Amino acid sequence: QKEVEQNSGPLSVPEGAIASLNCTYSDRGSQSFFWYRQYSGKSPELIMFIYSNGDKEDGRFTAQLNKASQYVSLLIRDSQPSDSATYLCAVRGGGGGNKLTFGTGTQLKVEL
Amino acid sequence: GAVVSQHPSRVICKSGTSVKIECRSLDFQATTMFWYRQFPKQSLMLMATSNEGSKATYEQGVEKDKFLINHASLTLSTLTVTSAHPEDSSFYICSARPDPQRRYSYEQYFGPGTRLTVT
Repeated sequence: QKEVEQNSGPLSVPEGAIASLNCTYSDRGSQSFFWYRQYSGKSPELIMFIYSNGDKEDGRFTAQLNKASQYVSLLIRDSQPSDSATYLCAVRGGGGGNKLTFGTGTQLKVEL
Repeated sequence: GAVVSQHPSRVICKSGTSVKIECRSLDFQATTMFWYRQFPKQSLMLMATSNEGSKATYEQGVEKDKFLINHASLTLSTLTVTSAHPEDSSFYICSARPDPQRRYSYEQYFGPGTRLTVT
């Protein structure tokens, strides 16, 4: 079982719709969860991080964390073509270390 | 704030030569820097973690004698790929973690990456 799992996609949504990206993780002791956006040929850009169960909203983005289910998601409201990218879920383990473990990413395509 | 640069952005080298990649935190001090490698359509794989003034910690399967990491100051880390071979061709990305005293110091800020092609 992979430590951090994501559906590779592509996930296609029409412009203006809500895109829902999901991620599951295996380490129950994980403490911190991050969503990065990566455009083709570029390095990842941090979108959001979440530490506590529940929802965290920032503009059009909402991160949702459910530690009991070991599940973290990212919702993108009013999706725009510029949101088309690969979204990487990253998890920091519970050992207090610095290391992030990345999922393989979900490719999102927002269609006109 | 929190800008990380890498140099060079692209490099092409011949098999058997060595290549040095620099990673700099431009507006903050980075006690910890990370080096990742990403092959096409794959995720980021952590190669090593470096702390300023100490030896890097390499991930399992990463040859420390082949991928030399130096973190000589709080704003600079270098990765040297020694005796490069075509299979080392990849996208190398560094990230930097700010000083623990800084707010949100758990975040990692990524550099723009270096595309290495070994011919």
